[in-house]
Amino acid sequence: GAGVSQSPRYKVAKRGQDVALRCDPISGHVSLFWYQQALGQGPEFLTYFQNEAQLDKSGLPSDRFFAERPEGSVSTLKIQRTQQEDSAVYLCASSPDPGGYGYTFGSGTRLTVV
Amino acid sequence: KQEVTQIPAALSVPEGENLVLNCSFTDSAIYNLQWFRQDPGKGLTSLLLIQSSQREQTSGRLNASLDKSSGRSTLYIAASQPGDSATYLCAVNIMAGNMLTFGGGTRLMVKP
Repeated sequence: GAGVSQSPRYKVAKRGQDVALRCDPISGHVSLFWYQQALGQGPEFLTYFQNEAQLDKSGLPSDRFFAERPEGSVSTLKIQRTQQEDSAVYLCASSPDPGGYGYTFGSGTRLTVV
Repeated sequence: KQEVTQIPAALSVPEGENLVLNCSFTDSAIYNLQWFRQDPGKGLTSLLLIQSSQREQTSGRLNASLDKSSGRSTLYIAASQPGDSATYLCAVNIMAGNMLTFGGGTRLMVKP
């Protein structure tokens, strides 16, 4: 596709529910990043993939968060037993460069936990 | 740990004004610095990228400067227009392939 596609655009989850957020990067992009953006704040790094390898997951806030990119293209961010503090916009970005140049961000998934 | 701060948090100006957005970072050992624009409900669009060896970058009415030793960057917007209204984010990268560390953003409103 022409850009990074994220789905769903909006997700409302009841506290304790599991959710899965999808990112379709630009075809052929090597690098893929997930960020979490709370209301009124800048994005914060969650995790980074180079092809199918998860090279950095230091930003995942707890073991309830899990990300995968099994075939080096589509990535899924899964949050188990959601809590209210998980409410945020989750942004995905991809880059053709292993060095991360030329980031293209998706429009994000807005998660609201009630 | 690298921390990035943006001042002001919000700014409202009349159309046509020149304006400066500020960004500061605590660790001067950066690889590059980027300025992004974010429109409501949208992703981030990269505006300018400055390598650590560079002092400034220009694109149209936008000019970004970098003073690595003092940990500061500024984004200068000339002759502001209502279409410039958005949130502007600066982000630093400490090494190639590493994640970006973002500031909290400046919400800009340009009034017609």
